[in-house]
Amino acid sequence: AQKVTQAQTEISVVEKEDVTLDCVYETRDTTYYLFWYKQPPSGELVFLIRRNSFDEQNEISGRYSWNFQKSTSSFNFTITASQVVDSAVYFCALRGNTGGFKTIFGAGTRLFVKA
Amino acid sequence: DTGVSQNPRHKITKRGQNVTFRCDPISEHNRLYWYRQTLGQGPEFLTYFQNEAQLEKSRLLSDRFSAERPKGSFSTLEIQRTEQGDSAMYLCASSLDGEPTGELFFGEGSRLTVL
Repeated sequence: AQKVTQAQTEISVVEKEDVTLDCVYETRDTTYYLFWYKQPPSGELVFLIRRNSFDEQNEISGRYSWNFQKSTSSFNFTITASQVVDSAVYFCALRGNTGGFKTIFGAGTRLFVKA
Repeated sequence: DTGVSQNPRHKITKRGQNVTFRCDPISEHNRLYWYRQTLGQGPEFLTYFQNEAQLEKSRLLSDRFSAERPKGSFSTLEIQRTEQGDSAMYLCASSLDGEPTGELFFGEGSRLTVL
């Protein structure tokens, strides 16, 4: 079975602080894809970043960076110099190469960025 | 319109009534997904279509739920004999066939309240 766990329910930071959102996943698939999605107060989920299981190289894209470690089944997401507009619920998600094309989501981490 | 469109955005109904939601995916996307999201939780997979074929259904999709995508374009999700436990946000997403990462594009959702 596939599972995504986001242990942090809520995080509150002050603007310009860096914040890391944790994600741990479970899958028996050898090929899989990991994602982060953002759900702002307006409600529409928006894709942010993805990583496939073959590539553990960590990357930075603007203020976003991610740390993928297969050894610990973790896919953590960092926002650098947070802004008030980053306030949203962030979901980590997993899609394997078996069991169809469904994407499994974690319960989400609500991020509050205070001015 | 280049995004995923869902309607109605809000539906209030009495227990026992039937409701139907419609989703219009991004036009070139041939995969379409339905998810359900309750307060404080991540999206839960319900079902997905490739073109007009319904390829997978979650155990969450009881026999009161039915989804169709008759011409491989828009989709409908019908809930018969609604129960209070059906109150949730119903999300539709689409993705592009051949896109290996399976990034999902979500609509704004249809919120159902069963009284």
